Amino acid sequence: QKEVEQNSGPLSVPEGAIASLNCTYSDRGSQSFFWYRQYSGKSPELIMFIYSNGDKEDGRFTAQLNKASQYVSLLIRDSQPSDSATYLCAVNRGAGNNRKLIWGLGTSLAVNP
Amino acid sequence: EPEVTQTPSHQVTQMGQEVILRCVPISNHLYFYWYRQILGQKVEFLVSFYNNEISEKSEIFDDQFSVERPDGSNFTLKIRSTKLEDSAMYFCASSEGEAFFGQGTRLTVV
Repeated sequence: QKEVEQNSGPLSVPEGAIASLNCTYSDRGSQSFFWYRQYSGKSPELIMFIYSNGDKEDGRFTAQLNKASQYVSLLIRDSQPSDSATYLCAVNRGAGNNRKLIWGLGTSLAVNP
Repeated sequence: EPEVTQTPSHQVTQMGQEVILRCVPISNHLYFYWYRQILGQKVEFLVSFYNNEISEKSEIFDDQFSVERPDGSNFTLKIRSTKLEDSAMYFCASSEGEAFFGQGTRLTVV
């Protein structure tokens, strides 16, 4: 079983629509959950993190976490062509001085003008 | 805004050679990491470093790899006897909670 799973896509949405990106994880002891955006050939860029069950909003982005279902999602409202990228879900399962991230393969998002 | 800096941005090396990838983490961060991403694959954890020692390493991080913090600011990844399959983007990250990544070094082994 893969540790962090994402639908590879591509997910295609029209400009202005809501893009919904999903991620499941296998380790129930996971503590922190991160969404990164990665443009082709570039490094991951942190968008949001979430630690507690429920929703967390930051501008056009909303992260949702359901630990019982081992599920975390990212909603992007009013999608823009510049949002076109690969979105990586990462999970922190470490404790103490070890905070390594376990990554999904990413979902490719295309926002069409 | 503070950032993680990596050099070089691109390194081409011949198989069997040694390379050193350099990173300057964000100054008040205490946790440092190296990750790599082979083209088209997921980001993979290599090693974490805290308090001047390795705190965890992955199965990938074998005797071919080593890390150092030689002068209190730089954080280096040394890869000895490079192989073709070491070709990848190598990312350094530092954190005090959320991890911030450098722009990466693209290593090409020919």
